Amino acid sequence: DQQVKQNSPSLSVQEGRISILNCDYTNSMFDYFLWYKKYPAEGPTFLISISSIKDKNEDGRFTVFLNKSAKHLSLHIVPSQPGDSAVYFCAASEGGSTLGRLYFGRGTQLTVWP
Amino acid sequence: NAGVTQTPKFRVLKTGQSMTLLCAQDMNHEYMYWYRQDPGMGLRLIHYSVGEGTTAKGEVPDGYNVSRLKKQNFLLGLESAAPSQTSVYFCASRQPGQGAYEQYFGPGTRLTVT
Repeated sequence: DQQVKQNSPSLSVQEGRISILNCDYTNSMFDYFLWYKKYPAEGPTFLISISSIKDKNEDGRFTVFLNKSAKHLSLHIVPSQPGDSAVYFCAASEGGSTLGRLYFGRGTQLTVWP
Repeated sequence: NAGVTQTPKFRVLKTGQSMTLLCAQDMNHEYMYWYRQDPGMGLRLIHYSVGEGTTAKGEVPDGYNVSRLKKQNFLLGLESAAPSQTSVYFCASRQPGQGAYEQYFGPGTRLTVT
């Protein structure tokens, strides 16, 4: 049973507009959340993360929001650029109790068109 | 500083053949991981290691073996390949105790079993 869910397999956004990628989780023991970006034929690269003690973390055009009560997080990209077109994976960790093991969602393909 | 490298990049096997995938990292990380990625399935953990000489099972370990004889290398073996093991394999590493849980990924190995 998947503990991290990304229910939208794809998202298409016009350049310059906001992209919002969503992620839900079921395990209340998760205390750290990450977003990875993956281009075709490459490995995933770390994008941004958030600890469960925060509800927002921002890095340039990327902001991650965490709603613990709803077990939901989202990644906002503003403004979206064609180079942002990639698969985005949400991941979660229980922290030190499981040696930092990451649980991944199935990914969302983001396409940013001009 | 090459980060995480994987050998080979591509491989085609026949059912029943064996092979070893090599992962090497030059970041002196303690923890290393092997994942497989299948279409629409996200990344699933096969095996992991928390230090030289130690290994542990992940979510989908059946049909695979691993070894961590040197800190910088993590080998994934398939003793008798099956078509169900057709996948893209990613290796990752991480240094514990840095207060974050991001893992650094290699470029992947695309394996086809016919």
